Amino acid sequence: YELTQPPSMSVSPGQTATITCSGDAIPKRYASWYQHKPGQAPVVLLYKDTERASGIPARFSGSSSGTTATLTISGVQADDEGDYYCHSADNDATSVVFGGGTKLTVL
Amino acid sequence: VQLVESGGALVQPGGSLRLSCSASGFAFNSFSMHWVRHLPGKGLEYVSAVSPDGLNTFYADSVKGRFSISRDNSEETVSLQMSSLTPEDTAVYYCVVVGFYYEDAFDVWGRGTMVTV
Repeated sequence: YELTQPPSMSVSPGQTATITCSGDAIPKRYASWYQHKPGQAPVVLLYKDTERASGIPARFSGSSSGTTATLTISGVQADDEGDYYCHSADNDATSVVFGGGTKLTVL
Repeated sequence: VQLVESGGALVQPGGSLRLSCSASGFAFNSFSMHWVRHLPGKGLEYVSAVSPDGLNTFYADSVKGRFSISRDNSEETVSLQMSSLTPEDTAVYYCVVVGFYYEDAFDVWGRGTMVTV
């Protein structure tokens, strides 16, 4: 099972970044999202498609429609630069996968 | 809640290595434990998992037959025995708890340990 993300994205500060995650089982399975910066452990941003983890700013939001889950970062800041991964499971919940990751560059 | 990995090292292709993860601050024997690796220049890959009682395990296809996960609930540790290592196994290996704070989320991570093959 695979989850497909765009490999990279560039946005200017203050703009909105929209990162997609596509997979056949997305309609049946929740997605979660993680931010990963060099030298640090990944941090969970969102779980159950739309729920924000504690301490995560409100400008991080999630949605899911059809076979695509989406992470939206409104008012992007320089500190948001890093890699973003989605995570979900297949239809039978027997295979747990991460998307390939999206490298977000803040111009 | 804390996870501390150890055991990462430089190893020759074909060699073996044992990673350990020491847990503290939570009811270790109530949670499944997981290993996730970050491949350099690539992404995160789910590697292995063990159930709370240690009786059920899961392995990614890429490591099946070469890696073995186990846990010691009395010592609150989980281990990953890796053998027949290849350069493709070079990665930072993270020990992770799923669902501690948030349902089905990888929400508690260790700092990782580097394995270089």
